[in-house]
Amino acid sequence: GDSVTQMEGPVTLSEEAFLTINCTYTATGYPSLFWYVQYPGEGLQLLLKATKADDKGSNKGFEATYRKETTSFHLEKGSVQVSDSAVYFCALSAPNAGNNRKLIWGLGTSLGVNP
Amino acid sequence: KAGVTQTPRYLIKTRGQQVTLSCSPISGHRSVSWYQQTPGQGLQFLFEYFSETQRNKGNFPGRFSGRQFSNSRSEMNVSTLELGDSALYLCASATGGYNSPLHFGNGTRLTVT
Repeated sequence: GDSVTQMEGPVTLSEEAFLTINCTYTATGYPSLFWYVQYPGEGLQLLLKATKADDKGSNKGFEATYRKETTSFHLEKGSVQVSDSAVYFCALSAPNAGNNRKLIWGLGTSLGVNP
Repeated sequence: KAGVTQTPRYLIKTRGQQVTLSCSPISGHRSVSWYQQTPGQGLQFLFEYFSETQRNKGNFPGRFSGRQFSNSRSEMNVSTLELGDSALYLCASATGGYNSPLHFGNGTRLTVT
């Protein structure tokens, strides 16, 4: 079945360091891919998305490219800030047998950024 | 545009009781999904409603139920509460297409004692 595998955390970085959070998926068909972020005490927010192969999603300095050949959607940021400390979720969305939403979530990666 | 609103933010109940959580989606969104989030299990899908019909359901016991009203507002009910039901319950709304992003509320923190 479809699945999303995300690198385990927690990840701890110093401010201005480069960030990569790995996400790989297995899916039949052509899913859409998402990164969500959850700040302490809040719900999840959409960070970026890509709906087809080679699409690059970007937002707030974060980027991720939909790589069909490696079935990956790794999240990157060139210079992290303390305010980026949060939990990051990779997710896959595809139509199920009834053409409704099937959403598969990674387990989340906790990021802490030290000043 | 107002975001997704969940009430109440915090709730404390005792084992055996029942609880109802409420979610008001973003105006115009017809899809409402519910999730349970715990440190051990992560994000677990409960169910999704679209235009008052349940169209997806996760692997939760029948004690967990929900409904959606004609104005797209949704409620989730848990009966005969167990200690393991303590969690953050998140509601998310979307326009409905399978690749439309979810917009989450800040959740209801349920503690069962």
